[in-house]
Amino acid sequence: QQPVQSPQAVILREGEDAVINCSSSKALYSVHWYRQKHGEAPVFLMILLKGGEQKGHDKISASFNEKKQQSSLYLTASQLSYSGTYFCGTDPTGNQFYFGTGTSLTVIP
Amino acid sequence: DTEVTQTPKHLVMGMTNKKSLKCEQHMGHRAMYWYKQKAKKPPELMFVYSYEKLSINESVPSRFSPECPNSSLLNLHLHALQPEDSALYLCASSQSLAGGRNTQYFGPGTRLTVL
Repeated sequence: QQPVQSPQAVILREGEDAVINCSSSKALYSVHWYRQKHGEAPVFLMILLKGGEQKGHDKISASFNEKKQQSSLYLTASQLSYSGTYFCGTDPTGNQFYFGTGTSLTVIP
Repeated sequence: DTEVTQTPKHLVMGMTNKKSLKCEQHMGHRAMYWYKQKAKKPPELMFVYSYEKLSINESVPSRFSPECPNSSLLNLHLHALQPEDSALYLCASSQSLAGGRNTQYFGPGTRLTVL
């Protein structure tokens, strides 16, 4: 039931772009994205509720392809503050929640 | 106020001890969650309370016992834990369960070490 993310890890220089993918073997009705910095709690980034929906704020956006059971997170012009582990998350039954496998993102100067 | 608080921040306990973790939120949320997170792994759902009733119990060993005294408080009682239970325990809350449409707000976690 756990979504699979790719890549597992990525290192970027400041200003570079990155894409993180999230795939599920089960139907997706919604996708959540969270970022967790080392030693801290996960912080909500955004939720996508409809197939084809795209959302974003600042330079972080996401898309949701319900048919392909996939979501992607786009980070543009990365900043040092973007470093952390990114998790997608899904609720396949309406009352459970599964985090994805996680993607470690490191932004270097 | 979007804050979820957890106490204590750190806990060290022996395998014969009994201890409790506490979580509190004042956002009027009606769903509360306990997660367990091992190093370099995603959080794993343990328990979900909805309207103060246990909704989900993800086959967690009985040495973990949740309690929801009221809509703002969530406890996790620990007894006879094993060293492999050492982990970060995260509490979260959301407005309701409502089919995965609600944002979860996480507390800072309790770092538990079992000796």
